[in-house]
Amino acid sequence: GDSVTQTEGLVTLTKGLPVMLNCTYQTTYSPFLFWYVQHLNEAPKLLLKSSTDNKRTEHQGFYATLHKSSSSFHLQKSSVQLSDSALYFCALPLGGYKLTFGTGTSLLVDP
Amino acid sequence: DPKIIQKPKYLVAVTGSEKILICEQYLGHNAMYWYRQSAKKPLEFMFSYSYQKLMDNQTASSRFQPQSSKKNHLDLQITALKPDDSATYFCASSQPRDRVEQYFGPGTRLTVL
Repeated sequence: GDSVTQTEGLVTLTKGLPVMLNCTYQTTYSPFLFWYVQHLNEAPKLLLKSSTDNKRTEHQGFYATLHKSSSSFHLQKSSVQLSDSALYFCALPLGGYKLTFGTGTSLLVDP
Repeated sequence: DPKIIQKPKYLVAVTGSEKILICEQYLGHNAMYWYRQSAKKPLEFMFSYSYQKLMDNQTASSRFQPQSSKKNHLDLQITALKPDDSATYFCASSQPRDRVEQYFGPGTRLTVL
């Protein structure tokens, strides 16, 4: 069935280092992927979205490229900041407007 | 000003009781949703409504009943509460089209004792 997989539960990094959070998917639909970010005790907010194969999409210093050949949409940033500490979800819209989310990756940035 | 209001922010209930979670959105959207987030599971889709009509129901239990009294309201009634219902419940909204951004409310954290 349609699903999203995030393999890392927790990523801990020092400020200023690059990060990549993994997201792979399975879908019978033409893929359209989202990344949502959820800071502590806040609502999830859209960070990135894409449906175009091999095109990099960027927002707030984060970027991701949808690769249909490998069914991936990994989230990257070249230099993480303390304020990037949050929970990151990859999400796949299914038919009927519903979103299916991955299990989420907690990013913790140390000073 | 908050565009999606959820009330209450925190809710404590006893097992077997009934509660209603309130959601109002002021984004002019015609599709609304409920999601649940618990320590055991990621964000989990529950219901979707479009123009006040139920579109999709992924909740196996009939104890969860959405109620849409106005087009910008989608409340969630939960009956016969169980400790396993403890979670944060998020309301979301969007334009009623596939593959569009959904905006999430701040959530109601429910604890069932």
